Amino acid sequence: KAGVTQTPRYLIKTRGQQVTLSCSPISGHRSVSWYQQTPGQGLQFLFEYFSETQRNKGNFPGRFSGRQFSNSRSEMNVSTLELGDSALYLCASSGTQGATGELFFGEGSRLTVL
Amino acid sequence: AQSVSQHNHHVILSEAASLELGCNYSYGGTVNLFWYVQYPGQHLQLLLKYFSGDPLVKGIKGFEAEFIKSKFSFNLRKPSVQWSDTAEYFCAVNAPNNDMRFGAGTRLTVKP
Repeated sequence: KAGVTQTPRYLIKTRGQQVTLSCSPISGHRSVSWYQQTPGQGLQFLFEYFSETQRNKGNFPGRFSGRQFSNSRSEMNVSTLELGDSALYLCASSGTQGATGELFFGEGSRLTVL
Repeated sequence: AQSVSQHNHHVILSEAASLELGCNYSYGGTVNLFWYVQYPGQHLQLLLKYFSGDPLVKGIKGFEAEFIKSKFSFNLRKPSVQWSDTAEYFCAVNAPNNDMRFGAGTRLTVKP
């Protein structure tokens, strides 16, 4: 079956702009988690959605937001972009609530903020 | 929320050397433990996981990890590394009904 699909794969934005990233989970998976990956910091947890409800949220400012649709697809939005937002944004899906099982990752969306 | 510490930022080994990557977590309750691997240019994938039972778990490609509850550790081992093991390795911890938290990662370089 198809894996986790993230779009776009690469994008370049300037400071102050906003960006929306999309994630389609594995068919049948209802949990979607988002992570920010930067060199030396590893994966920083952004938020997790299950059945359109945000279950958990990491320590990121309110500029970072997300949502999940009834078909389990998820989007995350970053407003008023800063240079430090440049990173690889990873989406992961899981078949269980609260991500107690294995996470299946997409290839990520690489955001560059100039 | 739980947190994860990986002690080694970058490890360089020669082929056939033994590998041990450290991972400690902070959480007082029951946890699920994972090691993920990210090969160059590829997405993260599961290497092995521990939920309960035998604290020594075996994963893919000859990797194993030992859960030591008293030390809050879940170290990854491999008796003999290969050049193809060059990758970044992430330890992750998940408490029931909580999100999964990752360590900062350990970059492994294996010299042929």
